[in-house]
Amino acid sequence: GQNIDQPTEMTATEGAIVQINCTYQTSGFNGLFWYQQHAGEAPTFLSYNVLDGLEEKGRFSSFLSRSKGYSYLLLKELQMKDSASYLCAVRDSNYQLIWGAGTKLIIKP
Amino acid sequence: DGGITQSPKYLFRKEGQNVTLSCEQNLNHDAMYWYRQDPGQGLRLIYYSQIVNDFQKGDIAEGYSVSREKKESFPLTVTSAQKNPTAFYLCASSPTGGSGQETQYFGPGTRLLVL
Repeated sequence: GQNIDQPTEMTATEGAIVQINCTYQTSGFNGLFWYQQHAGEAPTFLSYNVLDGLEEKGRFSSFLSRSKGYSYLLLKELQMKDSASYLCAVRDSNYQLIWGAGTKLIIKP
Repeated sequence: DGGITQSPKYLFRKEGQNVTLSCEQNLNHDAMYWYRQDPGQGLRLIYYSQIVNDFQKGDIAEGYSVSREKKESFPLTVTSAQKNPTAFYLCASSPTGGSGQETQYFGPGTRLLVL
């Protein structure tokens, strides 16, 4: 079966750095996405990786290792507004998105 | 402004009742999707449509029905056959069928509760 694993919850301090991991086992791979979702709201797109390596976008970076079935989202200079759930999703061989359950990130002052 | 709208924000269903969730987009996207989100679980695909007058079942289509008569609209009906409909329903769209870096854009969601 297809499976995406992320930690359920993480806590970090304002101004610090946090890394959210995602491991996947899917039938085929056509890209990995990270989305941010505030409570009760729609997910919004953060990043996309299809080749191995690091993609940097401001305070957010995302890394991919296809051979290891592994990705992480790195958030720097954490702000209180970064408190949200972070969803990892993989596009499989049928071009459908398979979603992880999300990681709830709690930022403390 | 371009975007996706869903209505209503909250919806209450009585036993044995069918209810319809609205999803409209003005992004000129070909593909549209319906997901269900439950606490502690990833988004699960109910139905998707890549072109007008055509749609495909997702992983959890039982108890749901859709139509795609117009490019802009993709309503979802939760029928009485869906025994556990309480969830957060998200509609999404993408320019085509999801190749390359193409991402999905989401509406604000509808929370369905059973009375």
